[in-house]
Amino acid sequence: GAVVSQHPSWVICKSGTSVKIECRSLDFQATTMFWYRQFPKQSLMLMATSNEGSKATYEQGVEKDKFLINHASLTLSTLTVTSAHPEDSSFYICSASSLVVAREQYFGPGTRLTVT
Amino acid sequence: EDQVTQSPEALRLQEGESSSLNCSYTVSGLRGLFWYRQDPGKGPEFLFTLYSAGEEKEKERLKATLTKKESFLHITAPKPEDSATYLCAIPTSGTYKYIFGTGTRLKVLA
Repeated sequence: GAVVSQHPSWVICKSGTSVKIECRSLDFQATTMFWYRQFPKQSLMLMATSNEGSKATYEQGVEKDKFLINHASLTLSTLTVTSAHPEDSSFYICSASSLVVAREQYFGPGTRLTVT
Repeated sequence: EDQVTQSPEALRLQEGESSSLNCSYTVSGLRGLFWYRQDPGKGPEFLFTLYSAGEEKEKERLKATLTKKESFLHITAPKPEDSATYLCAIPTSGTYKYIFGTGTRLKVLA
């Protein structure tokens, strides 16, 4: 149980284009989803928290107009990187939690974004 | 200020050589401490949740323990497939957002 998927697993895009990453909880309802960014050999950096049906809450320093997050259902959240630039290249990981049941976060496999 | 510190930063073990990883934390009112394993290029895999001092959880060669100030992840007779980065995390005070430690990179040599 507690499986989270992400799609795509890797993506290459050109500078100036937008990229959408999907995060799905496959076998439970996720009241809250989190989006992280991870640089090589570093720990996870929280970008934003989203609750189903509500606007996402962004961490300090994260541009909400650049990283658009939508959590339209209890099983799906999307992260759209708008007008991507090479410095947005990173490993993006989502996690999902059913806070009604437990506080554990279950993580997706991650998406490697490369902006050329 | 809520804080999580992991040590050592990196650890190399021979196969079968048991050891322990440390996670020290500071938080106002602990609401869980979580251990994860992360393989290169993958998302973290959930291992354990500990809620109160004295609690222990086991899974195969791994055993997690918790005190009021720290948690240990004991690895008994490790195998090369146990090589990974082990992360601990706690919810920040008043929220369910995690603070992660910087992780311990474990390498088990055959």
